[in-house]
Amino acid sequence: DGGITQSPKYLFRKEGQNVTLSCEQNLNHDAMYWYRQDPGQGLRLIYYSQIVNDFQKGDIAEGYSVSREKKESFPLTVTSAQKNPTAFYLCASSIDAAGTPNTEAFFGQGTRLTVV
Amino acid sequence: AQRVTQPEKLLSVFKGAPVELKCNYSYSGSPELFWYVQYSRQRLQLLLRHISRESIKGFTADLNKGETSFHLKKPFAQEEDSAMYYCALGPGNAGGTSYGKLTFGQGTILTVHP
Repeated sequence: DGGITQSPKYLFRKEGQNVTLSCEQNLNHDAMYWYRQDPGQGLRLIYYSQIVNDFQKGDIAEGYSVSREKKESFPLTVTSAQKNPTAFYLCASSIDAAGTPNTEAFFGQGTRLTVV
Repeated sequence: AQRVTQPEKLLSVFKGAPVELKCNYSYSGSPELFWYVQYSRQRLQLLLRHISRESIKGFTADLNKGETSFHLKKPFAQEEDSAMYYCALGPGNAGGTSYGKLTFGQGTILTVHP
């Protein structure tokens, strides 16, 4: 069954702790992305990666870190430096090749992180 | 800077009525625009893209470069259209090939009443 899998679905964290959200895809996509979804603000890009062992900051990267050691995996760590981490996090992937027609981003089901 | 604005946070219509979800964008180059939809308990998914000029589930969207708009329309709304709709701007020719690197609007929750 092809697609993007995010785990866990719900995550609770104590203030001051780091937490890692998992994202795995078997679509053979080169590019992967992390978005944060907040009510009334839409989705905002945190980090993205176009190729293994490389990634770029998005619009709201502060307080987050990522790694891309394998093509299939793009974990996101929410660090204690993130001041307002409670949110819904979405992972996505896409083809990353010039001239490819009709491309789109495929999204996971999301992880809801709550800081308690 | 890229920006997408969806002025309506909530939109309610009755079944069979026409519906229009507004989207305005700000982009200096040649834009790539999309509508994504998130039904209850489902993942965010592509509804349509401007370049395809297609009708999906009865929805159409026309890119108006003069008004910098990409409004989503459907002549007769159905209850199953109730969802969160996002307008999104792609990287275009200035952003390389990362097709998932999108700038999203704030989203519009559409509710279609029976």
